Order: sequence, then C-alpha cells, then structure tokens
Amino acid sequence: NAGVTQTPKFRILKIGQSMTLQCTQDMNHNYMYWYRQDPGMGLKLIYYSVGAGITDKGEVPNGYNVSRSTTEDFPLRLELAAPSQTSVYFCASSPRGSSGNTIYFGEGSWLTVV
Amino acid sequence: AQKITQTQPGMFVQEKEAVTLDCTYDTSDPSYGLFWYKQPSSGEMIFLIYQGSYDQQNATEGRYSLNFQKARKSANLVISASQLGDSAMYFCAMRETNDRGSTLGRLYFGRGTQLTVWP
Repeated sequence: NAGVTQTPKFRILKIGQSMTLQCTQDMNHNYMYWYRQDPGMGLKLIYYSVGAGITDKGEVPNGYNVSRSTTEDFPLRLELAAPSQTSVYFCASSPRGSSGNTIYFGEGSWLTVV
Repeated sequence: AQKITQTQPGMFVQEKEAVTLDCTYDTSDPSYGLFWYKQPSSGEMIFLIYQGSYDQQNATEGRYSLNFQKARKSANLVISASQLGDSAMYFCAMRETNDRGSTLGRLYFGRGTQLTVWP
C-alpha cells in the first residue's frame, strides 16, 4: 500500500532557486494538503485542494504555488527559495466528507535553503 | 487566536508510569474532531487516537486514552505504563467539520509537547 508518497525526502537549495515537491496518493482522495513544520513547532497549512482543478490558500501560502491537475497529484512549487522556507514539508490526503481518522500523511520532505 | 494550545513544551516521566499531556482547543463549530499524533525523531506523523465531538465516551487505543472534557474544551492524552519508545514529540490537532460551508477536513495543530521517558 503506497498511501501518500512525497519526493524528494531531502533537498538543499540555494537562495533564489526554485523547486517542486511532489506528492501523489493512490487512494482516490478528493482532499489534499500541504503543511510545513518549522523546528520545534506544529504543522501549519500552506495550501489545500478539495479536488482536481481546485486549490486554496492556507495559513502560510506566501512563496509557494500549487496545482491539482489530477486527483492523484498535488505538487508544491517553491519560487525564489528563501532561508525562511527551510522546513519539513508534509503532504496529506483525506476522502471527501470524511470524519474520524481518515487523514493520511506522507513521510515528510526535509528542505534546507542556504 | 490559537485553535489548539499545548502548554507543556516538555514532559518527563519514568518508565512504567502514566503521563498526561495537556491540550485545549478553541472552536465555535458544534461538530469537530480531536486527534493526537506522535512524531518520533525520524519525523513521520503517527496517528494515536481520535475523539469526535459527539462521542459520548472517551476514546481509548491500547495504552492511549483521551480525557475529553467538552465544557472545558480540553482533550488531554493519557499514556499509561510509559515505555522508552514513547519518547517523542506529541501533537494535538483539531479538525473542524465545516469551514465556510464546506467540509474541508484540514487540521489545526498545537506546538507540541516533547515527552522524555527515562528508565
């Protein structure tokens, strides 16, 4: 069972570079999310999507972009990387209208901007 | 305003003892869910326990139980018979059922409590 798969797991970027964090899920979930976790902190929502073609901002969207062309994929794009974007990024998914423990997390992507 | 508050940055407990990790939440939504996650040093988010706002009984999962006090808006995690492997960061999270009329299911997280279990 693949679940939610994130790539890459680790990445070092130079200031001003761009990159895309990939996220794919094989559970046919409508809802997908990107969170970031700064050192010693909880997770904060960057962007989310309720279905293909629909995305919306979360709490901390600045410096990021997303797209949702398919149900399975929800890539997160970092444009002009800054040291403040050094963080651990988690992708998650859940079925539409769900309740209970139906949120699935990827294993996280560690990003360092130097 | 913070939706989830965890006031204990760190907790220490001796092996085989019980420990309570505090969590308070803030919502005006009548329907919501409360979660606890464990994050070991390897970084993955491990689901521990879930409590729905309409659940009459406190949730239990093995050594984990959730002390749900709705009127006080608290959802404390109780770990019984602590083990060395319980040493990790623990996060409380809330999921509101409705947000601007849509069921989005996103989670709001607290800042976490670092639990250390000593022999």
